[in-house]
Amino acid sequence: KQEVTQIPAALSVPEGENLVLNCSFTDSAIYNLQWFRQDPGKGLTSLLLIQSSQREQTSGRLNASLDKSSGRSTLYIAASQPGDSATYLCAVSGTSYDKVIFGPGTSLSVIP
Amino acid sequence: KAGVTQTPRYLIKTRGQQVTLSCSPISGHRSVSWYQQTPGQGLQFLFEYFSETQRNKGNFPGRFSGRQFSNSRSEMNVSTLELGDSALYLCASSLFLAGGEETQYFGPGTRLLVL
Repeated sequence: KQEVTQIPAALSVPEGENLVLNCSFTDSAIYNLQWFRQDPGKGLTSLLLIQSSQREQTSGRLNASLDKSSGRSTLYIAASQPGDSATYLCAVSGTSYDKVIFGPGTSLSVIP
Repeated sequence: KAGVTQTPRYLIKTRGQQVTLSCSPISGHRSVSWYQQTPGQGLQFLFEYFSETQRNKGNFPGRFSGRQFSNSRSEMNVSTLELGDSALYLCASSLFLAGGEETQYFGPGTRLLVL
């Protein structure tokens, strides 16, 4: 059974700092991994999707890496801004028509 | 193009009642998935529909059901509501889920409160 964990559960950093969020999964037989952002009381916004054959994806100040063999993914946020404050969730999809499993999320607060 | 829309946005029901939530996917998307989000359990997968067929189902009781119409719009129904059903219900659409390269696009959610 696939389990997804995220560390840390919460993070508070000063504006301008670079930071890394971690995601771990127990079953390496995934098809893809996706990072989402959720603002309080809102839906999810997709940030990056990494296929199992890929090692990383980049979008602006965001860079996500995937190490399938070790069951880990990281989301790197460069030069953090107060507007980055949100909960970040990672989700993995299985190798068949499998359900998507979400991690519990990391709550990020960027202090001006 | 328009994003995923969900109606209603907020809903208050009492125990024992039933509720129907609606989701309209992005135009052209044929896969619709439903999720329940609660503070205690996080985001949990309910079910996924593709071309009017339920393709996958999470570990929820039979009180939770859904369907998809020919225009890809989807509804989910919860019968005999319980206090624990209070949650944010999210719908996501994609061209192809879990096997394709498509990103899931989420709607704003329906917040259900059961009293």
